Amino acid sequence: QKEVEQNSGPLSVPEGAIASLNCTYSDRGSQSFFWYRQYSGKSPELIMFIYSNGDKEDGRFTAQLNKASQYVSLLIRDSQPSDSATYLCAVSGNSGGSNYKLTFGKGTLLTVNP
Amino acid sequence: DAGVIQSPRHEVTEMGQEVTLRCKPISGHNSLFWYRQTMMRGLELLIYFNNNVPIDDSGMPEDRFSAKMPNASFSTLKIQPSEPRDSAVYFCASSLAWTGGTPAFFGQGTRLTVV
Repeated sequence: QKEVEQNSGPLSVPEGAIASLNCTYSDRGSQSFFWYRQYSGKSPELIMFIYSNGDKEDGRFTAQLNKASQYVSLLIRDSQPSDSATYLCAVSGNSGGSNYKLTFGKGTLLTVNP
Repeated sequence: DAGVIQSPRHEVTEMGQEVTLRCKPISGHNSLFWYRQTMMRGLELLIYFNNNVPIDDSGMPEDRFSAKMPNASFSTLKIQPSEPRDSAVYFCASSLAWTGGTPAFFGQGTRLTVV
């Protein structure tokens, strides 16, 4: 069973701080990695995706990937109360032939305190 | 772009009734996913289609669940008969040329309550 693990939280940070969200995955053949944000009662919204080892920055968000350690993280700089949400890590890999499964972790609840 | 469109947004039904959820993917996307989300199990992939063809339905919980995609712009997820444990939020998502690397975009979801 291919798994994606996240700390459920809640992770609480003060406004303006850096929030660090972590994710590990079990399938070493995983190829693509995504971070989604989900506000309560809403649908998941794509924030970032990363394919290669290293860092990828987009505004206040930085995704980090380490395939050797099977670890992917999301850093949110200058956290704002509006960043308070559940962050979902998603991993895709080839399950055979043309079958690429997108598997989600259960998410980490982030609370940014004013 | 209108995004992925799901209907209905909310559905309350009695145990034993048939439920049909509907999804219109983003125009031009050729891959469509059905997910179910609960507090206990998180987001679970039920089935996904590439070019209207079901590729993986191993997540469909039992024979009471069925999904179809008769054309590139429409898909249905049917539960017959429904049971209280089917209560969840059901999401449809679509992606362009899904080979594992392109992002999937979600609809607003259907909140299903079976009483």
